[in-house]
This record gives sequence, C-alpha cells and structure tokens, in this order.
Amino acid sequence: KAGVTQTPRYLIKTRGQQVTLSCSPISGHRSVSWYQQTPGQGLQFLFEYFSETQRNKGNFPGRFSGRQFSNSRSEMNVSTLELGDSALYLCASSLVGGRDTQYFGPGTRLTVL
Amino acid sequence: KNQVEQSPQSLIILEGKNCTLQCNYTVSPFSNLRWYKQDTGRGPVSLTIMTFSENTKSNGRYTATLDADTKQSSLHITASQLSDSASYICVVSPNAGGTSYGKLTFGQGTILTVHP
Repeated sequence: KAGVTQTPRYLIKTRGQQVTLSCSPISGHRSVSWYQQTPGQGLQFLFEYFSETQRNKGNFPGRFSGRQFSNSRSEMNVSTLELGDSALYLCASSLVGGRDTQYFGPGTRLTVL
Repeated sequence: KNQVEQSPQSLIILEGKNCTLQCNYTVSPFSNLRWYKQDTGRGPVSLTIMTFSENTKSNGRYTATLDADTKQSSLHITASQLSDSASYICVVSPNAGGTSYGKLTFGQGTILTVHP
C-alpha cells in the first residue's frame, strides 16, 4: 500500500506570495491533518479534515487555509507569505482520526525569502 | 495550559547501549499518549499509542511505559542501533473518546544520537 505523498517536496517563495501544498493520503484513509514544524516551535497542529469537512483548527491566522476533496486528497494554502512561515509542512492521514495511528508524509520544506 | 515536557533535550549513547527518554505532561482530561520517531528530513513514524488504562506497550526494541497518576511516560530503547539516531516526540491527546486530532499537544522532542 502506498504511503502518504506530499507535493512539492521543496518550495522557495518570496514574501507576499501565496502557496498551495498538496497531500494524498493512504488509500481508504478519510482523516487528513496538517502540521507545521519549525526548530523553535516544534510540531504545531494546523487543521484536520474528515470527509471534506474541517473538523478542527489550530491557532494559526486566517492566511492558512485548507480543503479536502471527495477522494480524501487535501490541499493547504498560505496567502501573503511571511518570513516566519518558513517551515516543514507535514500531512498525516488515518482511517477516521481519534485513536487511529497517523501516518505522516515526508513533508514539504517551504522557504520564504 | 496543556503542556508536554520531554527530557533530556539531547542524548548521545554508544551503539548497543540502552537508554530511556522521559515525557511529563499536564494535559487533562487525558485520552492517549503517543511516541513518534522522526528521522532527519522525514515525517514522524508512530512507535506506540497508549490509553490511560495501559501501563506498557512494546514495539520491537522500543518499550513505552505510562503512569497516568503521575502524568509521566518513558520510552526505553534496548540494544541501540545506529539507525535509532533520530528525534523522539511525545504527543498527548485530551480528546477522551473523540475522533479528532485537534487538541494534540506535542513535546519538543529528544534528539538521540547513537555512535559506533
């Protein structure tokens, strides 16, 4: 069974631009969560989607948004990029969430110049 | 405020030795605690998941223990290998019976380096 895939793996943007990251979960998984990881803050929860609905949202500004499609694939968008948005963005999928094991993708390394 | 504290921040051991990583949390109400291993440049990989009723859980050379009364967990690695070099992250969920990951609280991780 294929794992979680994320595209692109690396991205360089400049301040003020916007970016869209993509995540394809493991087949059959309906819960997709997004996380931001930085050296200073560690892993932080962005949002979780289940059956195309945002089930939970972390404490990030409205510039961070996401969506999930009917095939469970998910995208996250960051508008008006700031230097502090430079991070590793991780996507994780699980069957339905809760106590299910989450499987993480390799992440997208975003650098904002 | 829900918090997860891990110690030590970093640890260096020789190949073949055992080690123990600590995780203290203040998350309440508590649902489950997870340990993840994250290799440099890769996403985290789940090692164990324990609910409040479980005291210990093993995954190969990894054994996690949980004391829900003192809100402490440990991850014991036996006969370490070079491939164990990674960051180990403790994650606590307060959603008792819930189906959401929204309230997960992450520790900062312990960076383990295994030398030959």
